[in-house]
Amino acid sequence: DAGITQSPRHKVTETGTPVTLRCHQTENHRYMYWYRQDPGHGLRLIHYSYGVKDTDKGEVSDGYSVSRSKTEDFLLTLESATSSQTSVYFCAISPELASSYEQYFGPGTRLTVT
Amino acid sequence: ILNVEQSPQSLHVQEGDSTNFTCSFPSSNFYALHWYRWETAKSPEALFVMTLNGDEKKKGRISATLNTKEGYSYLYIKGSQPEDSATYLCALGGSQGNLIFGKGTKLSVKP
Repeated sequence: DAGITQSPRHKVTETGTPVTLRCHQTENHRYMYWYRQDPGHGLRLIHYSYGVKDTDKGEVSDGYSVSRSKTEDFLLTLESATSSQTSVYFCAISPELASSYEQYFGPGTRLTVT
Repeated sequence: ILNVEQSPQSLHVQEGDSTNFTCSFPSSNFYALHWYRWETAKSPEALFVMTLNGDEKKKGRISATLNTKEGYSYLYIKGSQPEDSATYLCALGGSQGNLIFGKGTKLSVKP
């Protein structure tokens, strides 16, 4: 298995609170991605990073911000959590542009916003 | 936003049956087509990445073909086994290195 961990694995939080999810990799891969998975929608890209301090928005980026200060860590922050952000969040990594290279996924974080 | 369609949504087969699913995508601006296998309570796992029209890939009993000109890919499973039960995701590689996923085909194989 690719060395990807996510923390926390489960979290329950209240509406309006900030939440930060962490993705950590030991593969030294350049590209990192955050997805959310919801019933009826499949996996949707939130943000991605193509290097330290280089990030870009994905399909569903509203209400989320990211940071990457080190190659191995990619943080996803929900600035003010809402119930619509209840979801399972997956981090993924790839050595090169994932257009033509497979992505490796972390174990996921289940977030519930009450 | 590119749209990736998968069919059927779900499929129930008996052990030993062979089966196939379809992934459809816009044929313009094609970069790559990915197939992932996603078992319940686990993470998606890459099966194949295909980039060229006519590509065929095989891994054990699972194979895939790609037609970029008409915008589709097929995934085949020969002699399905209960351990093949999973959701099979198709994803289109975008120009920014991102992946655009379909909603998946959920396969259930009965012993």
